[in-house]
Amino acid sequence: SQTIHQWPATLVQPVGSPLSLECTVEGTSNPNLYWYRQAAGRGLQLLFYSVGIGQISSEVPQNLSASRPQDRQFILSSKKLLLSDSGFYLCAWSWGAGSNQPQHFGDGTRLSIL
Amino acid sequence: AQSVTQLDSHVSVSEGTPVLLRCNYSSSYSPSLFWYVQHPNKGLQLLLKYTSAATLVKGINGFEAEFKKSETSFHLTKPSAHMSDAAEYFCVVSDIGRDDKIIFGKGTRLHILP
Repeated sequence: SQTIHQWPATLVQPVGSPLSLECTVEGTSNPNLYWYRQAAGRGLQLLFYSVGIGQISSEVPQNLSASRPQDRQFILSSKKLLLSDSGFYLCAWSWGAGSNQPQHFGDGTRLSIL
Repeated sequence: AQSVTQLDSHVSVSEGTPVLLRCNYSSSYSPSLFWYVQHPNKGLQLLLKYTSAATLVKGINGFEAEFKKSETSFHLTKPSAHMSDAAEYFCVVSDIGRDDKIIFGKGTRLHILP
């Protein structure tokens, strides 16, 4: 069966510090991968998605970036965090073929910026 | 263009009474529709999905949803609410034949009263 792991579960960072959140998927190959942000009391905002190694699409201009160095690894980064980057970050995967495939989510990372 | 509207941001029901969470969608193609549940500080869990098969879809934990094309609706129901159902619920639409992005509703917070 397929599993998805995100870490860390919680993170407290000062403004201006760098960020690296990691997500890995096991039990499948060539998945579509996604990063979402969920601000308090709001819905999900798609940040990045990837259909293959090195292929990243950005949905929202911001100071975040994403990379996919391996087939089942998706990394969310920032060089300098802003207060507005606080939120709940979720990684998800889906089968690549067809939009009728559901997404499967990790347990998320709660990021607090001080 | 795709869109999804969850008509209630909050719903409160008493334990043991029926649950109805409303969702309307807009789609130019043949949509796939999903309901997810999110408990506090957790990722989203797939409850059920509709992908052009039977219009009445049964999911986990006693939930079901009915796809009504004429009303462009995909409401989520459960005959008898349980305290453990208290969570946030997201309706999601995805168009078959388009790219792999999907659209999330803003969520409905379900409160269960003892």
